[in-house]
Amino acid sequence: GEDVEQSLFLSVREGDSSVINCTYTDSSSTYLYWYKQEPGAGLQLLTYIFSNMDMKQDQRLTVLLNKKDKHLSLRIADTQTGDSAIYFCASRSGAGSYQLTFGKGTKLSVIP
Amino acid sequence: DAMVIQNPRYQVTQFGKPVTLSCSQTLNHNVMYWYQQKSSQAPKLLFHYYDKDFNNEADTPDNFQSRRPNTSFCFLDIRSPGLGDAAMYLCATSRAANYGYTFGSGTRLTVV
Repeated sequence: GEDVEQSLFLSVREGDSSVINCTYTDSSSTYLYWYKQEPGAGLQLLTYIFSNMDMKQDQRLTVLLNKKDKHLSLRIADTQTGDSAIYFCASRSGAGSYQLTFGKGTKLSVIP
Repeated sequence: DAMVIQNPRYQVTQFGKPVTLSCSQTLNHNVMYWYQQKSSQAPKLLFHYYDKDFNNEADTPDNFQSRRPNTSFCFLDIRSPGLGDAAMYLCATSRAANYGYTFGSGTRLTVV
């Protein structure tokens, strides 16, 4: 079945950029998402990208997609302590598929 | 604000005692989902409703059931909770062709 892999931990200094990486296996994935989860809370959709795009920018967030390598990344510019959370990459196959397949999440720690 | 609301935020139940978790939405989305998230793991889809049509994942235990009496509400019933069912349960919604899910804040279930 579909598999989504992420590194489990990332630590950065406040003000630096964070880059969280994700790989997926399903070549038919049409939508790819980044979700943020703060302690004890649900998942908040941060951004998404369609598979026919290779980059999307939204304020401090930049998503890069390398469809050939099935690699997705999330860059957070000027990382703040409020960005400390777990970040989940998720993929969704094409038409008729309602399931999101999530990675295990990357815990981002921001050092003041 | 339109949203997905889960009640309660924290639920403690006894081993083997039936428990029901609830989810409501004001988004008028067609699809509602229940995910189970155990500590340090990716959310795992249990089932979803597309309107009134129920779709169970193949590996969802029979112990888990769901009801959707109307568009706004969806319930997760655990008939005989075991210690291994302790987890965060996340409800989410989406339009059939929408680009992402909207998640509730989750219910953290403890089994004693």
